[in-house]
Amino acid sequence: TQLLEQSPQFLSIQEGENLTVYCNSSSVFSSLQWYRQEPGEGPVLLVTVVTGGEVKKLKRLTFQFGDARKDSSLHITAAQPGDTGLYLCAGALGLGGTSYGKLTFGQGTILTVHP
Amino acid sequence: EAQVTQNPRYLITVTGKKLTVTCSQNMNHEYMSWYRQDPGLGLRQIYYSMNVEVTDKGDVPEGYKVSRKEKRNFPLILESPSPNQTSLYFCASSRYLAGGPIGTQYFGPGTRLLVL
Repeated sequence: TQLLEQSPQFLSIQEGENLTVYCNSSSVFSSLQWYRQEPGEGPVLLVTVVTGGEVKKLKRLTFQFGDARKDSSLHITAAQPGDTGLYLCAGALGLGGTSYGKLTFGQGTILTVHP
Repeated sequence: EAQVTQNPRYLITVTGKKLTVTCSQNMNHEYMSWYRQDPGLGLRQIYYSMNVEVTDKGDVPEGYKVSRKEKRNFPLILESPSPNQTSLYFCASSRYLAGGPIGTQYFGPGTRLLVL
């Protein structure tokens, strides 16, 4: 059983569409990170959210941390072919803003944006 | 150039033959971690280290050992590899200040391991 459930696992959309990826858990996280991974490479951090209810924006990407720090979402506006890749969420177990060191990843979302 | 290096990048071995995958970082990071990546399962943490001589189990530590004798190195040891350890392995490092969150993790290029 995955501690952090990520959905959907696959997403195939047309350029210009909007999309949302979700990460849900019954556990409380001290912080949650979103990564993007290209084939043949390691994941690259997009954002870290630490405070419950926090919203962060990175150009067309909007990240939200749930009020209870158990879930998070990634919303992409007007997707472009360059957004294609594997998106991963990772929750850090801990208390408040303190991490215990253990990180749990979701299963990942493979996003394909067609021109 | 700030980086995390892993060696080897590709490895084919046989069941039971001990192997070590090295990981080194040049960013003076406190936190280092090993993950394995399998299709449909995302990344799963094997072991992590908050600082020198401090290591702890992640979600899937069985069959693996680690050590953190120096800040820059965090080798992953498979004492007796089995076919179910065939996977893509990533090492990562980040800043970590006690009492705070884990910082930006920088990942190595990955090691693709096949155990026959």
